[in-house]
Amino acid sequence: AQKITQTQPGMFVQEKEAVTLDCTYDTSDPSYGLFWYKQPSSGEMIFLIYQGSYDQQNATEGRYSLNFQKARKSANLVISASQLGDSAMYFCAMRGPRGGYQKVTFGTGTKLQVIP
Amino acid sequence: EAGVAQSPRYKIIEKRQSVAFWCNPISGHATLYWYQQILGQGPKLLIQFQNNGVVDDSQLPKDRFSAERLKGVDSTLKIQPAKLEDSAVYLCASSRPPQGGKETQYFGPGTRLLVL
Repeated sequence: AQKITQTQPGMFVQEKEAVTLDCTYDTSDPSYGLFWYKQPSSGEMIFLIYQGSYDQQNATEGRYSLNFQKARKSANLVISASQLGDSAMYFCAMRGPRGGYQKVTFGTGTKLQVIP
Repeated sequence: EAGVAQSPRYKIIEKRQSVAFWCNPISGHATLYWYQQILGQGPKLLIQFQNNGVVDDSQLPKDRFSAERLKGVDSTLKIQPAKLEDSAVYLCASSRPPQGGKETQYFGPGTRLLVL
C-alpha cells in the first residue's frame, strides 16, 4: 500500500520569501512518481511539478522545485519568491507502480497563505 | 486545447435521491479518473478508466455509486441513493500515456454536491 503524509495543515509566508511544503511518502514499490498540485479557492487542481523515483536530479519548474530525498522518502515542494497568487491549497500525490495500472494517492494538503 | 469539462457545476439534492455527473475529458486522453474530495481532505480516487475499461474501482462504494465510460470518451458517475456523507466535490481528470515516465493528470472544475 502507498501512503502520502503532509504534516503541515497551514503555512504562512511573507511575499517574495521562499517557502517549503513538506511531503513524506511510503511505498514498497521501487518505481513511482511524485506530483504536486495547487488548488486555489476556485477549486480547480493545477499540476505544478513531477519527480520520478529514478530521476537523478531534483525537478524544477520555474519558481517551483522539488527537494527529493529518496532515502528519507520525502518530496518537499519549494516555492521561491512567493507571490500573493500562490495562496492556495497544495497537495502532494504519488503514482505507482509503473507498468500495469498506476494507483494515485493524494495527501491531505497544506494551506499556504502569502502575506503582503 | 480544450480542458476537461464537467457538468453540472453545482447540485443540491435530498438524501435518498439519485444524481448523475458528466465528464468530457481532453481529446485523445485515454485515461479518465473520478475523484471524491470531501471538504478539508485530499482527493480520493473512486474509479479509473483506461479507454472504456475499468482499471481501478477499489474505493468506489459499489452499492450506491456506478460509473461508465461508453465508447472510451465521455463518462458518467451516478449516485443512487445519495447519503449525507456524499456531500463533496467530484473531480474528473484525464491523462495521456506517460511521456518520459511522466503522466500528468488534467482536472476539470469539479461538481459540488450538497446532500440535504
